[in-house]
Amino acid sequence: NAGVTQTPKFQVLKTGQSMTLQCAQDMNHEYMSWYRQDPGMGLRLIHYSVGAGITDQGEVPNGYNVSRSTTEDFPLRLLSAAPSQTSVYFCASSGVGANEETQYFGPGTRLLVL
Amino acid sequence: EDQVTQSPEALRLQEGESSSLNCSYTVSGLRGLFWYRQDPGKGPEFLFTLYSAGEEKEKERLKATLTKKESFLHITAPKPEDSATYLCAVQRNSGGSNYKLTFGKGTLLTVNP
Repeated sequence: NAGVTQTPKFQVLKTGQSMTLQCAQDMNHEYMSWYRQDPGMGLRLIHYSVGAGITDQGEVPNGYNVSRSTTEDFPLRLLSAAPSQTSVYFCASSGVGANEETQYFGPGTRLLVL
Repeated sequence: EDQVTQSPEALRLQEGESSSLNCSYTVSGLRGLFWYRQDPGKGPEFLFTLYSAGEEKEKERLKATLTKKESFLHITAPKPEDSATYLCAVQRNSGGSNYKLTFGKGTLLTVNP
């Protein structure tokens, strides 16, 4: 199992550009989520999904869109990048139900918006 | 609002010097408390899940404990390879489909040889 994979590892954008951060998991997990990590702050939830076709907003959703067309993939879209979106982005996945909800994280995507 | 406070922010130990990291939490109905290890430039790596007060779990030199207000990560005879940032997170028992984790800011542990 590859676990949770993310691409790209690193990206530089100019303000106003758009891009998609890719996330995939091969553990057949129903729950997937996106977090951002900024210096001096804990990881914060952006969006999450409990299955294909179902998504919802987390704590800091503004400026980001998500969709979930398959169980395996959960891409995060930045429609018009802003310097405030410079951060490290982590995708995580887990099962649902008792004792299956440990979230496993990907290696992260480091995004710099100029 | 769920809150997680970790202390100390940074801890420097000599190899073999045991210590504990603290995670204090406020959550309306705890579903689970999670400990992760994060190395520089990497994603969080799962260590433990604790579900109820009094529960303890061990893995090599690490032992996690849980009370109704806090969790401790005890590190016994640490080695330099234990150097990392340790993250604590709580999951609320919301009864819905949001399995959101609320994270603390982490404790940066450095173990000197």
